[in-house]
Amino acid sequence: EDQVTQSPEALRLQEGESSSLNCSYTVSGLRGLFWYRQDPGKGPEFLFTLYSAGEEKEKERLKATLTKKESFLHITAPKPEDSATYLCAVYNGQNFVFGPGTRLSVLP
Amino acid sequence: DAGVIQSPRHEVTEMGQEVTLRCKPISGHDYLFWYRQTMMRGLELLIYFNNNVPIDDSGMPEDRFSAKMPNASFSTLKIQPSEPRDSAVYFCASSLYLGSSSPLHFGNGTRLTVT
Repeated sequence: EDQVTQSPEALRLQEGESSSLNCSYTVSGLRGLFWYRQDPGKGPEFLFTLYSAGEEKEKERLKATLTKKESFLHITAPKPEDSATYLCAVYNGQNFVFGPGTRLSVLP
Repeated sequence: DAGVIQSPRHEVTEMGQEVTLRCKPISGHDYLFWYRQTMMRGLELLIYFNNNVPIDDSGMPEDRFSAKMPNASFSTLKIQPSEPRDSAVYFCASSLYLGSSSPLHFGNGTRLTVT
């Protein structure tokens, strides 16, 4: 069965304190890995798609990387507005499997 | 583009009552998905449609749940009778097609509370 796990479950950072979120997956045939951001009371918002090991994508203070078994979401010099839950999902050719998310809080 | 629109945003009902959740997907998107999100189980796929036809309903918990898509711009998820364990946030999402190049676009969900 395809599975996605994320760590840590929750992360508190001071503004400007860089860190990384982890997404580990076991999937029979990875066709794509997705990162989403979810704000309280809102639906997940698409950030990135990664397709193969070694690929990287960047958007503002966020950079996503992919290996054969995991993906990292690096947050450089975060701001309070980066506070959200970050979800990782994989597409196995048939459906999307979501991880439980990492709840990020950035304190001013 | 108005995005995926869901209604109502909040629903509070008593056990045994019928609940109907509504979704309007993004125009031109051929796929529509219903997900349920809870703290314990995260995001779970309930059912998805392609061109208004249900393709995979293996995630629907039991016969109390049913979903329809009468046309390309409207879908409903119905729970009858509702139970307290159905309390969750229900999301609708749509995509152009099913594939890694077509990410899901989510609505803002319906928070269902069954007392």
